[in-house]
Amino acid sequence: GESVGLHLPTLSVQEGDNSIINCAYSNSASDYFIWYKQESGKGPQFIIDIRSNMDKRQGQRVTVLLNKTVKHLSLQIAATQPGDSAVYFCAEAYFGNEKLTFGTGTRLTIIP
Amino acid sequence: GAGVSQSPSNKVTEKGKDVELRCDPISGHTALYWYRQRLGQGLEFLIYFQGNSAPDKSGLPSDRFSAERTGESVSTLTIQRTQQEDSAVYLCASSFVGQGREQYFGPGTRLTVT
Repeated sequence: GESVGLHLPTLSVQEGDNSIINCAYSNSASDYFIWYKQESGKGPQFIIDIRSNMDKRQGQRVTVLLNKTVKHLSLQIAATQPGDSAVYFCAEAYFGNEKLTFGTGTRLTIIP
Repeated sequence: GAGVSQSPSNKVTEKGKDVELRCDPISGHTALYWYRQRLGQGLEFLIYFQGNSAPDKSGLPSDRFSAERTGESVSTLTIQRTQQEDSAVYLCASSFVGQGREQYFGPGTRLTVT
């Protein structure tokens, strides 16, 4: 069936380096793709989203890239900090359908 | 302002017992969602309330699961005759209507069924 999945379950990055977290999706009908961050013991927190008619969107230290040709989504985090250590989930949504479909998640660990 | 709150934070129950989990959404958020997160996994959608519309119950895994919402405020998720496979973190989120891609999550209730 339709699903949102991730390439890698874990990622370790040196502090100060850039991180790239990847996500593959199979439902080309999704209108939005979203990234959430979940720190240990907390609920997920919205980071950034991108509409399906866009290729790139930038936020504060984060950039999301959408490649519809290969159904691939990525989250780039610039100059990673210890506070970036968390599990990152991609999710998809549709106009008029408010529930989110989440992927499994990637654990990002920042090495001091 | 205050975020989404959930209670209890932890619940240990015996198999076969009923449990009630509570969620207080952010004031003004008319949309409310429940998700289940098993250890090391992603979030599974359970149910969605939007204002006075009929809830979207399409994610409830069995008839042992039910949820209610009082107006546009508190919601309660009830699990009857709990099973060990119900052990998980239950997360509640709220959002403005039409802004479901930006949901605000509570800290969750960790349910352990022994």
